[in-house]
Amino acid sequence: DQQVKQNSPSLSVQEGRISILNCDYTNSMFDYFLWYKKYPAEGPTFLISISSIKDKNEDGRFTVFLNKSAKHLSLHIVPSQPGDSAVYFCAATGTGKSTFGDGTTLTVKP
Amino acid sequence: DAGVIQSPRHEVTEMGQEVTLRCKPISGHDYLFWYRQTMMRGLELLIYFNNNVPIDDSGMPEDRFSAKMPNASFSTLKIQPSEPRDSAVYFCASSLRQGGQPQHFGDGTRLSIL
Repeated sequence: DQQVKQNSPSLSVQEGRISILNCDYTNSMFDYFLWYKKYPAEGPTFLISISSIKDKNEDGRFTVFLNKSAKHLSLHIVPSQPGDSAVYFCAATGTGKSTFGDGTTLTVKP
Repeated sequence: DAGVIQSPRHEVTEMGQEVTLRCKPISGHDYLFWYRQTMMRGLELLIYFNNNVPIDDSGMPEDRFSAKMPNASFSTLKIQPSEPRDSAVYFCASSLRQGGQPQHFGDGTRLSIL
């Protein structure tokens, strides 16, 4: 039973355009959602988070949207840059631990 | 600021050998997590500690795996005996507290069991 799902294994966008990465979850008890970025041969690094009581959080080029009724969140990157090319993980936290999705590989083409 | 430090970065050993992975969390962080990443299962939580005490080890695959945290600045993950299916990247992470606090990951140990 996978509680956090990222249904798109990969996404390719042109530099300067918007990247939208999606994540679905099943457990309504999750209270925080986080996005991490991972480059090859490195550990994941935190990008942005959102509390379950909010529907939007913005940090520079990165915005996370949460739709609780649909149990869906998305990460928007505007404008996308080649340095954004990485694997993006969605994570959800509940009682003390985080559950991660399988990741989406984003490729931003110059 | 030093991040989470894991050693070794790479480990290649033969089946049946004991493997010990090491982690130094960020100073002052209360929580420490061990994860395993594989193509088949993604990033899965093995065990986590709060103030050096194991809280949830339900992700530990079997008795061959054990983890300890003797003090706030050091943790080990041990596999004995190792098997080829244990080959994966093992990550350690630490955080200040739970809730929305982000976890800070080390760069991982790439383990290959021949």
